Amino acid sequence: DAKTTQPNSMESNEEEPVHLPCNHSTISGTDYIHWYRQLPSQGPEYVIHGLTSNVNNRMASLAIAEDRKSSTLILHRATLRDAAVYYCILINLGAGSYQLTFGKGTKLSVIP
Amino acid sequence: KAGVTQTPRYLIKTRGQQVTLSCSPISGHRSVSWYQQTPGQGLQFLFEYFSETQRNKGNFPGRFSGRQFSNSRSEMNVSTLELGDSALYLCASSLVGSGNNEQFFGPGTRLTVL
Repeated sequence: DAKTTQPNSMESNEEEPVHLPCNHSTISGTDYIHWYRQLPSQGPEYVIHGLTSNVNNRMASLAIAEDRKSSTLILHRATLRDAAVYYCILINLGAGSYQLTFGKGTKLSVIP
Repeated sequence: KAGVTQTPRYLIKTRGQQVTLSCSPISGHRSVSWYQQTPGQGLQFLFEYFSETQRNKGNFPGRFSGRQFSNSRSEMNVSTLELGDSALYLCASSLVGSGNNEQFFGPGTRLTVL
């Protein structure tokens, strides 16, 4: 699987937008970009995914660079509940694999 | 719809023993994956089962094994426990063919090996 690079940690003030970057310069054309997050003492949870176009859902937005070598997860208004470790993961669904390869992720702290 | 459940939630064993962990996926989900999470190595993929067959396997020794039953419930077994096996073991289920591979994780089983 292609590798991703994320900052180790980020801070945000409550109710402000948060932009979490992810670099994936070796991404292949069939790799989907997935984001998961893990809240303290919980299992990871799916946040959003995309292939080429920007995506929005109730939790977040995903902005994908035109060359697909980077992406940004956007939380529009950070809440204390958003404090978690965020993982950017590339998945080649065409390979028939449901394996998630987690990196170290970005630990997001939200300041009240 | 009930989420992924894992039993037991906490377990303490001693070196050399073996342990069996259980995972019940979301109803209708046929793919079950197992992950190990430790402070040092982070989240690592163990294996994935689909329709009672192991479809993918991570880089773990043969002491780690699993199986899946016809109702999609899965168990993983660790034999001859070592101190380094102390970890949070997470199970995730997925609706095969959903197109997005969204995986739903359980709360995990915290295993402590003394």
